[in-house]
Amino acid sequence: AAGVIQSPRHLIKEKRETATLKCYPIPRHDTVYWYQQGPGQDPQFLISFYEKMQSDKGSIPDRFSAQQFSDYHSELNMSSLELGDSALYFCASSARGVQETQYFGPGTRLLVL
Amino acid sequence: TQLLEQSPQFLSIQEGENLTVYCNSSSVFSSLQWYRQEPGEGPVLLVTVVTGGEVKKLKRLTFQFGDARKDSSLHITAAQPGDTGLYLCAGGKAAGNKLTFGGGTRVLVKP
Repeated sequence: AAGVIQSPRHLIKEKRETATLKCYPIPRHDTVYWYQQGPGQDPQFLISFYEKMQSDKGSIPDRFSAQQFSDYHSELNMSSLELGDSALYFCASSARGVQETQYFGPGTRLLVL
Repeated sequence: TQLLEQSPQFLSIQEGENLTVYCNSSSVFSSLQWYRQEPGEGPVLLVTVVTGGEVKKLKRLTFQFGDARKDSSLHITAAQPGDTGLYLCAGGKAAGNKLTFGGGTRVLVKP
């Protein structure tokens, strides 16, 4: 079965640079979610989109922005990167009205130097 | 304050023994999901429970959702070394909204 696709899988950036993470949801899933996971921590919710509209917002820094496109894929844009942004970033997707189960992608490991 | 709490945080048992992981909250969730996560990888869904009192079985794993939809448990029968890993419970309150995670339980099954 098709899963959530994330790219790139690994990313190394310098402080103050920008990064764009991409997420391709499972086919026919209309909702995407972004989570950030630091070492030894739970995934922390950043933001979600349903049908291109923001659905819920968590602890997403103002330096970050995200959007969902008409083909349902999503991008997380991160600017003025800081050392503390180094983490695993997961995208998850779900189908509205189908138990709301969130399926996670393999993640993007971001390292800010 | 953690909205959802898992216990224990760490569990070490011998192969063949049984184990139970608990996920408790004072809040009601519309759904509760259990995941297993390997280091550096994304959480992999094990089960979703949505109905109070619901019991689901996945081979040697049994999941239960409390009647009031505030708590859940994961029971593993005759644990095997392949069951070693990090187990996460996560609660959802509405469609399109965040999952709240319970802190995780790291399980080690020794041969």
